[in-house]
Amino acid sequence: GAVVSQHPSRVICKSGTSVKIECRSLDFQATTMFWYRQFPKKSLMLMATSNEGSKATYEQGVEKDKFLINHASLTLSTLTVTSAHPEDSSFYICSARPIETSGRKIEQFFGPGTRLTVL
Amino acid sequence: GQNIDQPTEMTATEGAIVQINCTYQTSGFNGLFWYQQHAGEAPTFLSYNVLDGLEEKGRFSSFLSRSKGYSYLLLKELQMKDSASYLCAVRDGNFNKFYFGSGTKLNVKP
Repeated sequence: GAVVSQHPSRVICKSGTSVKIECRSLDFQATTMFWYRQFPKKSLMLMATSNEGSKATYEQGVEKDKFLINHASLTLSTLTVTSAHPEDSSFYICSARPIETSGRKIEQFFGPGTRLTVL
Repeated sequence: GQNIDQPTEMTATEGAIVQINCTYQTSGFNGLFWYQQHAGEAPTFLSYNVLDGLEEKGRFSSFLSRSKGYSYLLLKELQMKDSASYLCAVRDGNFNKFYFGSGTKLNVKP
């Protein structure tokens, strides 16, 4: 099956610093990657859609200057949480959608998630 | 906007059958997905429906009625390892984004 990795898996940082999270599709190419945030015992909230070669599309209420997204290649998207604050502490999950091929159902594959704790 | 509803929590007995419902109201529709998520882990894909009807996949089946904005996930022969959260997700028709329901926590008891 398709594999998506995230790095780091856990990060603890001080308030005011910036944190970069990488999302990689390991065995397929993805023109589109999605970034989600998940609070404890809650479902995934879509933050933004990352498109290779173009600007990310942010969901309503998500600050694009706070959460910088770069889709550098067909296998890599990064999320940078700038000037992190304790309220940014959360579980961040990315997913990648393979480039469509004939007859293949369109689905997304999730990374293992990154636990961010801001002190 | 997107509105996807699921029960918050359900309890069932090992070996039994459980049905988890999902209702949705979305601005577009291009498929409904069910995912399983264990605590602290990423969701894993279970099933996909884009046309009305039942899709069966081993112990798991999923049903869709587009006219009613309704789906359910059916789990048969429950095992203890099935204790997890089950997420219903609708893919938007225009942009292929996924929107998730709040998830249903299933507790399987011996």
